[in-house]
Amino acid sequence: QSALTQPRSVSGSPGQSVTISCTGTSSDIGSYNSVSWYQQHPGKAPKLLIFDVTRRPSGVPDRVSGSKSGNTASLTISGLQAEDEADYFCFSYVDTYVFGTGTKVTVL
Amino acid sequence: QVRLVQSGAEGKEPGASVKISCKTSGYTFTSFYIHWVRQAPGQGLEWMAVINPSGGGTTYAQKFQGRVTVTRDTSTRTVYMELSSLKSEDTAVYFCTRGRYRDYVDFWGQGTLVTVSS
Repeated sequence: QSALTQPRSVSGSPGQSVTISCTGTSSDIGSYNSVSWYQQHPGKAPKLLIFDVTRRPSGVPDRVSGSKSGNTASLTISGLQAEDEADYFCFSYVDTYVFGTGTKVTVL
Repeated sequence: QVRLVQSGAEGKEPGASVKISCKTSGYTFTSFYIHWVRQAPGQGLEWMAVINPSGGGTTYAQKFQGRVTVTRDTSTRTVYMELSSLKSEDTAVYFCTRGRYRDYVDFWGQGTLVTVSS
C-alpha cells in the first residue's frame, strides 16, 4: 500500500481558507469512508481534526471541515489563524493502514 | 482522562534491538486498538503495526514484517513494540496511538526518540 498523496505545501493569509487534498485510488479512499486528518506542530504528537471523512471531535472548531469526492479526500481550514501553521496528514484504512505524505500549511 | 505514556529516549548501535513501552490509562484497555507510528527527522508519519489488546492479535506493515513485534500486558495496560536489526534509517520518533477497528486513531503518546548510531 503506497502512501496517500498530498501537496507538499499550501499557504494563505490570515482569514483566508486553504484546502488540502489527499488522493488515493478507487480501491481505498474511493471505496471507504475511514479517512481522518491530523494536525502536527513541530516537536508535538499529532492531533485528530477530522474522522470518518467529515466528522469533528469535540473541541475542534467548525472552521475545520472535511469532504470527499471520488478518490480524493479534502481538509478545509477557513478563517486561517497563525496557530493553524503546522503539518497536516490524512490517514486511511484499506487492507492496511496508511498515512498521506503530509502537507505544510504556512500562514503568510 | 485518556493517557498514553511512552518510555524514554533510546540510543542503540546498528544491529541491536529496541523495545518501547506505551502505558495506557483512562479507558477500557481491551476496547481499543493500539497502533505504532514512526516519524524520521523532517519526514512524515509512517504506520508500522497494530495490536488488538483484547486477544493480542497483531498486524504489521509489510515493510517491517520479521523485524517488529508488538505485545501487550493486560495486567498493567501496557503495550510494547520491539524493533530488531536496527539500522541508521530507523532513527525516528516512535509514537503509540489509540485507534478504532479499521478506522481512525485519536489519542497519542508523547513519542519516543530512538537514535541508531555507531
